Amino acid sequence: EVHLVESGGGLIQPGGSLRLSCLTSGFTLSAYWMHWVRQAPGKGLVWISRINPDGTIRNYADSVKGRFTISRDDAKNTLYLQMNSLRGDDTAFYYCARGDYGLAGTWGQGILVTVSS
Amino acid sequence: QSALTQPASVSGSPGQSITISCTGTSSDVGGYNYVSWYQQHPGKAPRIMIYEVNNRPSGISNRFSGSKSGNTASLTISGLQAEDEADYYCTSYTSSSTYVFGTGTKVTVL
Repeated sequence: EVHLVESGGGLIQPGGSLRLSCLTSGFTLSAYWMHWVRQAPGKGLVWISRINPDGTIRNYADSVKGRFTISRDDAKNTLYLQMNSLRGDDTAFYYCARGDYGLAGTWGQGILVTVSS
Repeated sequence: QSALTQPASVSGSPGQSITISCTGTSSDVGGYNYVSWYQQHPGKAPRIMIYEVNNRPSGISNRFSGSKSGNTASLTISGLQAEDEADYYCTSYTSSSTYVFGTGTKVTVL
């Protein structure tokens, strides 16, 4: 069975950094595009970033470009999102998702990141 | 990267059909057949319902169907059921090699 489990969230002060991890199982990570999507509490879904199977293509939403970095370690079956210069409007649930069925057919359960002093 | 435009809410009685629109531009919805639709129940992760405009993943009821005309995509739910009450989001690939979601639509079953 396919599973994606996010970790690394929590409370962080503005200007701080955090690295999210997405541990995958049940499939070959190296065969898929992978995405990060976020959702502020009570708000809509926002696409953040994607990475291609061999890690050579990385795309970002304008709102995080230059601050966030997506990466992958297929040997560890893990997707990452390095988040720097965090701001209050980065507060959200962050989902990792497998790039099948269009944007994403399989999602993690989400992890909450709260940026506040 | 402005969000695609969806109606804030749509409602219908059990058994009825409803349609949710998703309006973008020629740089996203109108330019690519990479429109997907997601269902999200409160506190849950999104669930793929339709991909590439009108394709259903295995396990998704054929009561859900998608279409596109110009810069507007649509999701139709026929034979509305109580469990269909949820938030629905469209998304499209864009000319910037990114994705953009819609503003979301709350579906209420009366």
